[in-house]
Amino acid sequence: GAVVSQHPSRVICKSGTSVKIECRSLDFQATTMFWYRQFPKKSLMLMATSNEGSKATYEQGVEKDKFLINHASLTLSTLTVTSAHPEDSSFYICSARGFDAGQGNTEAFFGQGTRLTVV
Amino acid sequence: QKEVEQNSGPLSVPEGAIASLNCTYSDRVSQSFFWYRQYSGKSPELIMSIYSNGDKEDGRFTAQLNKASQYVSLLIRDSQPSDSATYLCAFHSGAGSYQLTFGKGTKLSVIP
Repeated sequence: GAVVSQHPSRVICKSGTSVKIECRSLDFQATTMFWYRQFPKKSLMLMATSNEGSKATYEQGVEKDKFLINHASLTLSTLTVTSAHPEDSSFYICSARGFDAGQGNTEAFFGQGTRLTVV
Repeated sequence: QKEVEQNSGPLSVPEGAIASLNCTYSDRVSQSFFWYRQYSGKSPELIMSIYSNGDKEDGRFTAQLNKASQYVSLLIRDSQPSDSATYLCAFHSGAGSYQLTFGKGTKLSVIP
């Protein structure tokens, strides 16, 4: 399957600082990427849909000014958690849509995830 | 509101047995269905995708889809301890955006 690289895998930051998470599609062009958040023992919650060259579409209840998403190219989307607080500590996962030649279908491929801890 | 219902488990099966995971969904226009496996602390990994009614087999995994009943299942034959993980059911309506809706996941434990 296609490869999506997410960086960093773990980050610890102080309360009030900002953290940037990168998501790259390595061997395909992703016009659409998705950002999810997952709390312990919970399912993935979609935060926003990121479209290359346009503004992201945020899900209800997600603060767009706090979670800044940029999708400047077909292979890179970034999520910046601004003025992070301990309640923002979570597992953040990106996903990109790409064509899986093995399956012969368009599939969603996930990055490795980023464990954010705000202290 | 699109919803996916899964039994959260945990589901415990002995090694070598068949594990059966079930999922129901509320959106009748759903086109594509997926099973993801997620190990603790890791991101989801696609196990199976199924698009039409019936069974789809891939190695030890069989996905079953019944659109009339809005039901999709995953069978794991000859379960191994390495299959112990949380299994997430997901679907999308195929309307172009490819936005997935996930269930809460079923935790599977395969006992050696």
